[in-house]
Amino acid sequence: AQSVSQHNHHVILSEAASLELGCNYSYGGTVNLFWYVQYPGQHLQLLLKYFSGDPLVKGIKGFEAEFIKSKFSFNLRKPSVQWSDTAEYFCAVKTDSWGKFQFGAGTQVVVTP
Amino acid sequence: GAVVSQHPSRVICKSGTSVKIECRSLDFQATTMFWYRQFPKKSLMLMATSNEGSKATYEQGVEKDKFLINHASLTLSTLTVTSAHPEDSSFYICSARVEISGRHNEQFFGPGTRLTVL
Repeated sequence: AQSVSQHNHHVILSEAASLELGCNYSYGGTVNLFWYVQYPGQHLQLLLKYFSGDPLVKGIKGFEAEFIKSKFSFNLRKPSVQWSDTAEYFCAVKTDSWGKFQFGAGTQVVVTP
Repeated sequence: GAVVSQHPSRVICKSGTSVKIECRSLDFQATTMFWYRQFPKKSLMLMATSNEGSKATYEQGVEKDKFLINHASLTLSTLTVTSAHPEDSSFYICSARVEISGRHNEQFFGPGTRLTVL
């Protein structure tokens, strides 16, 4: 069965620290990969996406992610976090042309001042 | 990006009543919308795929008669929780599929509806 796993459920770090959130999926075919962010009290927003081409994708707010096909991974990174990055982060994978997504369990990130 | 709205944002109802939640694509047409349920501190669980002009496709374990979905127009899908019970209390989120090119498409999410059943 297809699945998406996010390694960390809860991450706490200080401002200016670097952030890396892991995401792995189990599916052998073509995938579209996404990272969404949900700020407290707000709806899901797209951070970045990978369809094809350069496996290193840059998104909004200084985030980037790297698709490593051999590892079935799509890890999210940010070199220096801010307090405003406190949010829940979801990795999502689309594996069929109808746009049906499978979401990871989410990672709650708390950035302390 | 494309904007998706949901109404209402919050609803409190008594057990046994039915609640309708609307999902609208505001500046684009969406032939396909999705309904998700999000439990506290949990991920989004896809409930069903709503297709304009045809029956919704439900995920395994989701009761069709409990969660009625209607996608009567290209900009509106509705989810009706029938005979709601406290265990139906949750955060319901819709999304609309936007085709980017060929096999690539994205989803734009609504702000969600918090349902509380007393």
